[in-house]
Amino acid sequence: EAEVAQSPRYKITEKSQAVAFWCDPISGHATLYWYRQILGQGPELLVQFQDESVVDDSQLPKDRFSAERLKGVDSTLKIQPAELGDSAMYLCASSLYAGAYNEQFFGPGTRLTVL
Amino acid sequence: DQQVKQNSPSLSVQEGRISILNCDYTNSMFDYFLWYKKYPAEGPTFLISISSIKDKNEDGRFTVFLNKSAKHLSLHIVPSQPGDSAVYFCAAAGGTSYGKLTFGQGTILTVHP
Repeated sequence: EAEVAQSPRYKITEKSQAVAFWCDPISGHATLYWYRQILGQGPELLVQFQDESVVDDSQLPKDRFSAERLKGVDSTLKIQPAELGDSAMYLCASSLYAGAYNEQFFGPGTRLTVL
Repeated sequence: DQQVKQNSPSLSVQEGRISILNCDYTNSMFDYFLWYKKYPAEGPTFLISISSIKDKNEDGRFTVFLNKSAKHLSLHIVPSQPGDSAVYFCAAAGGTSYGKLTFGQGTILTVHP
């Protein structure tokens, strides 16, 4: 069964360091999402890609976060510099097309701890 | 502002009984609602959804009810099984063309044998 792959699964870093997360969506899925889930809260959308284009990054802290999906397949989310408040689970999801009626499939996430 | 709220952080039920998870929303533009289930160390998985043109959708042991006037939806699980123990997230979409999901905080369901 096709799955969304994410790496690393866990990342511990010190504040002010740079971190990067990788996501490989299900093959053929045009839409890719990055969510952040803080402990005790639901996932919050950070950025949404349609192929290689960003269609929603309204909640992405652009002073320190960046995301790319250069060839419209896999994607990287970067934080530089990391802050203590960035400690969270970072989830990647993909769907065939954009639109709520298209099921989003989630990866296992990357647990980030900033010390 | 929290547009989707799950006011019960946790719920404990006995195996075989009904589990009822609740969700409230404030944004009148939401027209599609979903429930996701999440096990530890895994990503959320889609469970069931409902469009605002319906007030009920059923899939096996899972039924979602939507009360648009009250801006309230609920997920019923009957009968509950120990394998249903997980975190359940309510999510809503609408008002945009890209299908952005807004999630609630989640409810931890524990089903005791």
